[in-house]
Amino acid sequence: QQQVKQSPQSLIVQKGGISIINCAYENTAFDYFPWYQQFPGKGPALLIAIRPDVSEKKEGRFTISFNKSAKQFSLHIMDSQPGDSATYFCAASKVSGDMRFGAGTRLTVKP
Amino acid sequence: ETGVTQTPRHLVMGMTNKKSLKCEQHLGHNAMYWYKQSAKKPLELMFVYNFKEQTENNSVPSRFSPECPNSSHLFLHLHTLQPEDSALYLCASSQGSGAFGYTFGSGTRLTVV
Repeated sequence: QQQVKQSPQSLIVQKGGISIINCAYENTAFDYFPWYQQFPGKGPALLIAIRPDVSEKKEGRFTISFNKSAKQFSLHIMDSQPGDSATYFCAASKVSGDMRFGAGTRLTVKP
Repeated sequence: ETGVTQTPRHLVMGMTNKKSLKCEQHLGHNAMYWYKQSAKKPLELMFVYNFKEQTENNSVPSRFSPECPNSSHLFLHLHTLQPEDSALYLCASSQGSGAFGYTFGSGTRLTVV
């Protein structure tokens, strides 16, 4: 019943590079698309989120790109740092509270 | 701390044991959730409580029994678990429906032997 597909499963990037994680969703009724960041031994933490009426949202080095017609959205991490090494989850939610998560991407940024 | 505290952090239990996981949120949120996190799989929603009333039970086996005595506390009672139940159990809370994001605890790493 997975409605959000996330890729890649794992990603290795050199320090200073751009990390790109992609997600695709099936249900067009979603209202909000958050991204979560999870460090080992911690729970996921909300990182950045976008509404479907916006094509791009940027917060510092983190940018979400949203393509409504293709039902795809992606997270770009510019100037990736070793401290960004974590697992990233995309999600899609409805105002009613139905939240669907992707399977996660384990990002490793090499110094 | 994130505002959502889970105890214990680690738990090893035999298949015939009974144990409980505890979650407490200090954020004044009205909704609380239990999620199961297994490697390489999406987070699996187990239970939802809104103003301490259960609003969702996502076809979870009866060996998992939730309890929500008030909007700040949530328990997950465990009994006769199976090895495949070994996972990270996450508690989360939200204001409103949670559509705009949850606050997660650090989880309880459960190992069933």
